[in-house]
Amino acid sequence: TQLLEQSPQFLSIQEGENLTVYCNSSSVFSSLQWYRQEPGEGPVLLVTVVTGGEVKKLKRLTFQFGDARKDSSLHITAAQTGDTGLYLCAGVKGGSEKLVFGKGTKLTVNP
Amino acid sequence: ETGVTQSPTHLIKTRGQQVTLRCSSQSGHNTVSWYQQALGQGPQFIFQYYREEENGRGNFPPRFSGLQFPNYSSELNVNALELDDSALYLCASSLSRGRITGELFFGEGSRLTVL
Repeated sequence: TQLLEQSPQFLSIQEGENLTVYCNSSSVFSSLQWYRQEPGEGPVLLVTVVTGGEVKKLKRLTFQFGDARKDSSLHITAAQTGDTGLYLCAGVKGGSEKLVFGKGTKLTVNP
Repeated sequence: ETGVTQSPTHLIKTRGQQVTLRCSSQSGHNTVSWYQQALGQGPQFIFQYYREEENGRGNFPPRFSGLQFPNYSSELNVNALELDDSALYLCASSLSRGRITGELFFGEGSRLTVL
């Protein structure tokens, strides 16, 4: 059973379009992180959200943590080809040292 | 560039063999975590080392073992390799204070293929 479910699994869009990807769980997390991973590389941290209902913006990327701290979303405005990659969400449960990852959303932005 | 280096980058082994993967952590970091990422999957936590001691382990059998050295670099050893061990093995270093793990910085991984 996957603790963190990400959707959609695959997404292919045209440059300039907007998109939202989701990360859902039935468990509560003390914090949730979003990473982007490109082929042949390790994941790179984009943002950490800690407070329920928190919204963080990173240029064209908007991250939201659900009020109950069980889910999160990533919205990209006016996608660019450079946004192509695997977007992973990862959660930390209180008192645990391990980061639990979802399977990721593979995003392709076409020119 | 995260400052975390892993070696080798690619290797091929056969079933039953043993493998050692190495990780040099970012300068100043005291914690190393190892993850296994199978094709099409997210990374799965193997274990974490903090100040040379194992500090948490995921759902992996004992044939997965590790070490952390005084300079905080680390090794992952896998004995009796199985076909399902084929994956990208990621090392992440962080600066932990007490038992609280800081932000993870990942290396580029070691791609293991078991034939």
